[in-house]
Amino acid sequence: DAGVTQSPTHLIKTRGQQVTLRCSPKSGHDTVSWYQQALGQGPQFIFQYYEEEERQRGNFPDRFSGHQFPNYSSELNVNALLLGDSALYLCASSTGQPRETQYFGPGTRLLVL
Amino acid sequence: TQLLEQSPQFLSIQEGENLTVYCNSSSVFSSLQWYRQEPGEGPVLLVTVVTGGEVKKLKRLTFQFGDARKDSSLHITAAQPGDTGLYLCAGVAASGTYKYIFGTGTRLKVLA
Repeated sequence: DAGVTQSPTHLIKTRGQQVTLRCSPKSGHDTVSWYQQALGQGPQFIFQYYEEEERQRGNFPDRFSGHQFPNYSSELNVNALLLGDSALYLCASSTGQPRETQYFGPGTRLLVL
Repeated sequence: TQLLEQSPQFLSIQEGENLTVYCNSSSVFSSLQWYRQEPGEGPVLLVTVVTGGEVKKLKRLTFQFGDARKDSSLHITAAQPGDTGLYLCAGVAASGTYKYIFGTGTRLKVLA
């Protein structure tokens, strides 16, 4: 049983560029959440997707957008990259109920130069 | 804004010592999770607590959820170098949100 997978593992971009990160949830999970984790800090909630819709959003600008596909996989898109967007981006999957356990992928390390 | 504050932020101890990490909030949470994260990897779930006053044990780790579901603690007995990592608590607010709030993290280093 594959766990949560993310791609790519590492990415280097320059300011102003756009980036797309991908996530495949754990088998049996239909909900995907995205987090941004700056170095030395706890993860910050970006948004959650359920039934191909954004169900809840954290305090992130509109430059951050996402998508969920019919097979429950998800993408995170970030436009007009800033230096401050450099972070580990984590995807977590769950069954979608409010108190259900989330399982995290290994993350994508994004560096913006 | 709901916050989860962890203490201490950093902890460096000798192998065999005991330690406790605290996770506190002024908000009530419907459930709380503890994770351990290694550098460059995603957090790995250790335990989920959902009932006020609940105590769960995982080998040398003991987790407790406060009676009012506003705080939690993680106690490690006889720490080992393999316990080294970033410990994170995360909570789901009792108001029915789907958003997980993460604590600030406790970075533990256990010296052999």
